[in-house]
Amino acid sequence: KAGVTQTPRYLIKTRGQQVTLSCSPISGHRSVSWYQQTPGQGLQFLFEYFSETQRNKGNFPGRFSGRQFSNSRSEMNVSTLELGDSALYLCASSPGEAATYEQYFGPGTRLTVT
Amino acid sequence: AQSVTQPDIHITVSEGASLELRCNYSYGATPYLFWYVQSPGQGLQLLLKYFSGDTLVQGIKGFEAEFKRSQSSFNLRKPSVHWSDAAEYFCAVGAGGSYIPTFGRGTSLIVHP
Repeated sequence: KAGVTQTPRYLIKTRGQQVTLSCSPISGHRSVSWYQQTPGQGLQFLFEYFSETQRNKGNFPGRFSGRQFSNSRSEMNVSTLELGDSALYLCASSPGEAATYEQYFGPGTRLTVT
Repeated sequence: AQSVTQPDIHITVSEGASLELRCNYSYGATPYLFWYVQSPGQGLQLLLKYFSGDTLVQGIKGFEAEFKRSQSSFNLRKPSVHWSDAAEYFCAVGAGGSYIPTFGRGTSLIVHP
């Protein structure tokens, strides 16, 4: 099976712009989670989707949003970008509930905000 | 709610030496425990997981971990470290019904030749 794919791999944006990141999970996986990773804060949970429903959301402002499509592909959007949004954004899929099944991570999207 | 502590931010070992990375968790019932590894510029990869049964779990790349309920620990071990093991290691704990696991802050492993 193909692994989790994320596009784009690298992105440079300017403050105030918005960005959309895409994630294609492993075929058959219905749970998709998003994480933000920075050197200072480590790995922080953004949100988790299961069958198109957001079941969990981390402690991030409303500028961060996401959705999942019927084919389990997921997108996350960040509006009004700030310098502090520069990070590695990781997507992970799971065959079941992510807390009790292993997660399969994509390579991430490296976002740089200037 | 569950929590995870990885007490060591950095660990330095010589190639060929043994390794133990510490992980302590807080959860009332039997948790689901995971170790992930992240190489520079990459996503996380599952090394091993514990759900139930034998408390000594074997994983990929020669790693193993032991679940000790009395100490609330799930330490990762490897008898002989290779230079390619240099990476960031994350311990995670999950619980049924919580949907997503809680990750530790990670331990950076540095391997000297």
